[in-house]
Amino acid sequence: GAVVSQHPSRVICKSGTSVKIECRSLDFQATTMFWYRQFPKKSLMLMATSNEGSKATYEQGVEKDKFLINHASLTLSTLTVTSAHPEDSSFYICSARGGGGDTEAFFGQGTRLTVV
Amino acid sequence: TQLLEQSPQFLSIQEGENLTVYCNSSSVFSSLQWYRQEPGEGPVLLVTVVTGGEVKKLKRLTFQFGDARKDSSLHITAAQPGDTGLYLCAGRGGAGSYQLTFGKGTKLSVIP
Repeated sequence: GAVVSQHPSRVICKSGTSVKIECRSLDFQATTMFWYRQFPKKSLMLMATSNEGSKATYEQGVEKDKFLINHASLTLSTLTVTSAHPEDSSFYICSARGGGGDTEAFFGQGTRLTVV
Repeated sequence: TQLLEQSPQFLSIQEGENLTVYCNSSSVFSSLQWYRQEPGEGPVLLVTVVTGGEVKKLKRLTFQFGDARKDSSLHITAAQPGDTGLYLCAGRGGAGSYQLTFGKGTKLSVIP
């Protein structure tokens, strides 16, 4: 399957700071990327869907000003958690799919964010 | 809103036993996927089922999609410790919809 790389895999930041998470499609052009959040022992909750070159579509209850998503190129999307608080600590996962047809989405390795 | 109910939530069995995980919904999905996730890693796709009644086998894993495309099951034969992990089902809505709705997952522990 296609490769999606997420970076960093782990990050610890102080309350009030911002942290950026990158999601890259390494061997295909990702027209659509999805960002998920996963709480311990819970399933994946879709946060937003981003299409290259356009604004992300956020799910209900997700603050767009807090979770900034940029999908500036066909191989890179970024999620920036702004003014992080301890309750933002979570496992963040991206997935990416190419364009055309009914192509599958492939998941990154995830990023463990801890806000102290 | 499409919901997927996955059961059981936790399952602990002895090596060599068989098990079945269920994924049910009142909604129809165009396709359904099963993933396995290890701690600290992203989900890895195991299989996609598309046709109602479809059965797919992956070594000791058998996946079935319900005739009405509202439910699915994962059956593991002769479970091994290496099967331990979180199993997630995810459904995709109508044609052209690429968003996945995830079940809550089944945490499987296979004891040697």
